Amino acid sequence: QKEVEQNSGPLSVPEGAIASLNCTYSDRGSQSFFWYRQYSGKSPELIMFIYSNGDKEDGRFTAQLNKASQYVSLLIRDSQPSDSATYLCAVNWGGGADGLTFGKGTHLIIQP
Amino acid sequence: DVKVTQSSRYLVKRTGEKVFLECVQDMDHENMFWYRQDPGLGLRLIYFSYDVKMKEKGDIPEGYSVSREKKERFSLILESASTNQTSMYLCASSFPTGDYGYTFGSGTRLTVV
Repeated sequence: QKEVEQNSGPLSVPEGAIASLNCTYSDRGSQSFFWYRQYSGKSPELIMFIYSNGDKEDGRFTAQLNKASQYVSLLIRDSQPSDSATYLCAVNWGGGADGLTFGKGTHLIIQP
Repeated sequence: DVKVTQSSRYLVKRTGEKVFLECVQDMDHENMFWYRQDPGLGLRLIYFSYDVKMKEKGDIPEGYSVSREKKERFSLILESASTNQTSMYLCASSFPTGDYGYTFGSGTRLTVV
């Protein structure tokens, strides 16, 4: 059973600080990794993807991948109240058409 | 702007009704998916399709069926709606390998009374 694990939270971070969201996955052969942001009552929106070990930066967001330890993280710098949302981690095992496996998400609250 | 469009944002149906949820994408994606999302349970895959007229069961197909007659359209059918099918339904599409992730529709909040 391929699994993606996230701490459900809520994770509370003061405005302006760095928010760190973590995700672990069970299959060592996983190929690509995604972070989605989901506001309450809305659908998930892709914000980052990463394929290779190391860091990938996009504006205030940095995705970090460590395949040896089977974890992927998302850092949000200079957190804003508008970053308050649930963040879903998704993993592509690469083995078939059924695509991504999603974690249940971490609820992030940015406190003004 | 590329899009996945779900026909209804909110829907209220009665128990026993046959319900159709429609999803259309304009990205020429081969793969399409139907999920439901419930608090504490995350996204659960109902059905997916990797080609026209092809369909595969996901994790929770019971009580649902799907139809894909055209590449851009993937329909979810609740044969006889029940109250435990009250949920947020999300359609998504992707390229065959999923390497670029999914694009989701805006979702349909279905309430069965």
